[in-house]
Amino acid sequence: NAGVTQTPKFRILKIGQSMTLQCTQDMNHNYMYWYRQDPGMGLKLIYYSVGAGITDKGEVPNGYNVSRSTTEDFPLRLELAAPSQTSVYFCASSSFIPGQALYEQYFGPGTRLTVT
Amino acid sequence: QQPVQSPQAVILREGEDAVINCSSSKALYSVHWYRQKHGEAPVFLMILLKGGEQKGHDKISASFNEKKQQSSLYLTASQLSYSGTYFCGTEIYYGQNFVFGPGTRLSVLP
Repeated sequence: NAGVTQTPKFRILKIGQSMTLQCTQDMNHNYMYWYRQDPGMGLKLIYYSVGAGITDKGEVPNGYNVSRSTTEDFPLRLELAAPSQTSVYFCASSSFIPGQALYEQYFGPGTRLTVT
Repeated sequence: QQPVQSPQAVILREGEDAVINCSSSKALYSVHWYRQKHGEAPVFLMILLKGGEQKGHDKISASFNEKKQQSSLYLTASQLSYSGTYFCGTEIYYGQNFVFGPGTRLSVLP
């Protein structure tokens, strides 16, 4: 099992450019998440998905879009990049059985994004 | 509805003990604990469900006080490898409204 994989590991964008951060998990988890973490700060939820075709906003969704066409993949799209989107982006996945608590989240290694 | 963590930071010597607290104004269904080392992704430590369950492995354990909506993480006889930032995450209802706390930075010195 590769777990949760993210690409790219690093990226520098110019203001106004767009890009897609890729996230794939091979654990057949139904829940997937995107977080951003600014230097020295905590994890802020951007979007999450409870299954293929179902996504919902988190705390800080502005400037981002997601899709979930398969169980494995959960790409994050940045449109019109701004310096405020400079951050480390983590993708995570977990299992959830209705009526029970969330299982542990498995995190990918992160993508370090700089917008200049 | 982000949980509150205290202290914000703590510095220990090897072998000393530490307690990190996580509290919420909402009734919680579960509390999760994660540790993140510098430059790495967060790693899961344990989950506690409502009911006052206490868990632990090795010298790290945690409790969940349902009446106070507070969880405490106990690190005993700390080791250098315990250094990092500890995050609690809270779940208000089955699979919903999961949110991480701001983190507690723990530094263990030789």
